[in-house]
Amino acid sequence: GDSVTQMEGPVTLSEEAFLTINCTYTATGYPSLFWYVQYPGEGLQLLLKATKADDKGSNKGFEATYRKETTSFHLEKGSVQVSDSAVYFCALSDSGGTSYGKLTFGQGTILTVHP
Amino acid sequence: DGGITQSPKYLFRKEGQNVTLSCEQNLNHDAMYWYRQDPGQGLRLIYYSQIVNDFQKGDIAEGYSVSREKKESFPLTVTSAQKNPTAFYLCASRVGAGGQQDTQYFGPGTRLTVL
Repeated sequence: GDSVTQMEGPVTLSEEAFLTINCTYTATGYPSLFWYVQYPGEGLQLLLKATKADDKGSNKGFEATYRKETTSFHLEKGSVQVSDSAVYFCALSDSGGTSYGKLTFGQGTILTVHP
Repeated sequence: DGGITQSPKYLFRKEGQNVTLSCEQNLNHDAMYWYRQDPGQGLRLIYYSQIVNDFQKGDIAEGYSVSREKKESFPLTVTSAQKNPTAFYLCASRVGAGGQQDTQYFGPGTRLTVL
């Protein structure tokens, strides 16, 4: 079945440092890929997405490129801020076979940014 | 403002009692989903509904029940048969099936604690 593996956290960075959170996936068909962010005590917010190979999703300085050859969707940001402290989830949606759009999530990566 | 509302934000119940979590959306989305989140884990799908009066079991449906009598509402009942009900519950919705419309949008969540 489908699966998503994220780098283990927590990740602790200083403000303005470069961020990479690794995400790899296993899926049949041609999934869409997502990054969601969750702030303490809140629901998930869509950060960015990519729907086909070589697409780059970007939002609020975050970027991720859909790499079919390496089955990866790594999240990057050039300069993190304290306000980026949150839990980040990588997810895939198989819009192919079943078509009900089930999201398969990674386990989440906790990011803490210090001033 | 369009969005997804979940109520209450915090819910406490005694062991052995059934409890119903509310989820309402005014986005005119056809598909709705319930996920469970446990500490340090990704989200797991409980139930989903692609259309009014139809719903299907997800990966961890045992001990839960749902209904979908109206397009905008998808309540989740946690029954006494659920062995470990204490968790954070998230509701999500999506426009429809597949393609560019496969983004799920999440509500703020309900934290259920069973005493």
